[in-house]
Amino acid sequence: AQSVTQLGSHVSVSEGALVLLRCNYSSSVPPYLFWYVQYPNQGLQLLLKYTTGATLVKGINGFEAEFKKSETSFHLTKPSAHMSDAAEYFCAVSADSGNTPLVFGKGTRLSVIA
Amino acid sequence: NAGVMQNPRHLVRRRGQEARLRCSPMKGHSHVYWYRQLPEEGLKFMVYLQKENIIDESGMPKERFSAEFPKEGPSILRIQQVVRGDSAAYFCASSPRTGGYGNTIYFGEGSWLTVV
Repeated sequence: AQSVTQLGSHVSVSEGALVLLRCNYSSSVPPYLFWYVQYPNQGLQLLLKYTTGATLVKGINGFEAEFKKSETSFHLTKPSAHMSDAAEYFCAVSADSGNTPLVFGKGTRLSVIA
Repeated sequence: NAGVMQNPRHLVRRRGQEARLRCSPMKGHSHVYWYRQLPEEGLKFMVYLQKENIIDESGMPKERFSAEFPKEGPSILRIQQVVRGDSAAYFCASSPRTGGYGNTIYFGEGSWLTVV
């Protein structure tokens, strides 16, 4: 079974500051890892995903995440926050099998202060 | 290329009524997933369907909830005799292949159900 823990339900950063959203996962098999972003009253949009290969994954809007197997982590970062980054961010995991649904964390709300 | 389409976007029902939420997957996608998002919580998996088949319904409440994905037409999530606790955002997602193996699933904009 898979599970995801997102540390911090709310993160607040200043515009231009580093964004770091934490995600730890639990999986009994090699995981596939995802970050999704949700703007108010909208659906989820894929930011980036890790499947195999390079452990540093680059996504849209300047975000990137690094898969660290030894730490069972997949933290999301962005060097410089922009006001438009304010949203809810969800980390998710799926397993290397055919019919495993995505399992989501509870989300982290990012606020960006001018 | 239209994305995943959900309707209605907002639905208000009185306790005891039925709610029907519809989802048309992206063109070419034959796999549909329903998730529920309660306030201050993440998305909880409900059910995974392929055309005319329920593949995994481990997240569906045992009573009052049902889902289908017929050969023709949209997938429907049906909630009978709604209660206040059913108030949530219901998201549909689709994929062209199975959702495992790291395949991306694409989400609709959600249907917000309010039970009064």
